[in-house]
Amino acid sequence: DIVMTQTPLSSPVTLGQPASISCRSSQSLVHSDGNTYLSWLQQRPGQPPRLLIYKISNRFSGVPDRFSGSGAGTDFTLTISRVEAEDVGVYYCMQATQFPHTFGQGTKLEIK
Amino acid sequence: QVQVVESGGGVVQPGGSLRLSCAASGFIFSSYGMHWVRQAPGKGLEWVAVIWPDGGTIYYAGSVEGRFTISRDNSKNTLQLQMNSLRAEDTAMYYCARGEHNRGTFDSWGQGTQVTVSS
Repeated sequence: DIVMTQTPLSSPVTLGQPASISCRSSQSLVHSDGNTYLSWLQQRPGQPPRLLIYKISNRFSGVPDRFSGSGAGTDFTLTISRVEAEDVGVYYCMQATQFPHTFGQGTKLEIK
Repeated sequence: QVQVVESGGGVVQPGGSLRLSCAASGFIFSSYGMHWVRQAPGKGLEWVAVIWPDGGTIYYAGSVEGRFTISRDNSKNTLQLQMNSLRAEDTAMYYCARGEHNRGTFDSWGQGTQVTVSS
């Protein structure tokens, strides 16, 4: 199975400041079709997960442009350009290149 | 709008069975793969199973293979998860999620249904 490792596990951030979460996979996420199926999900307190980013850097419908994704191969990053209060929650990276699909441990974003 | 709604959760004794359902609306159900994902209390997300749009291909997580069965009824726009030989470690919120093939991800999630395995 592909292991997804996120850092940090907790990220206290000041409102209006940037935040960055890293995700590393134990093997390349490049699929045989040439795509890299790495997504980022947000889970606000008491809510189900919500898709933010798919295929490394594509923002899902309705996601604010302060969220961006980057990376390639085995190393990926989610960046929030200016953190807002509504961004509090846990962020997960997920790979869907191979079964079983696997998730990172989650990174808890909180406001300082 | 796209919506998936889970039901069927509850409290069951170890070794017991439970059948979860997911009702889909707002999209052509028979065109999408469907997944179950679970989350133990205070823990992260764990993918459980997937079924292809036509039901012809199925994959399971190793932790549930041989005990859980995923199925779908495209005529009723419903997804099911039959869970047998339940263990305490199966206690979790179970989410139904739509798989979007081109995006290669889960683009719509339900609110979840809670399963508790306890004597």
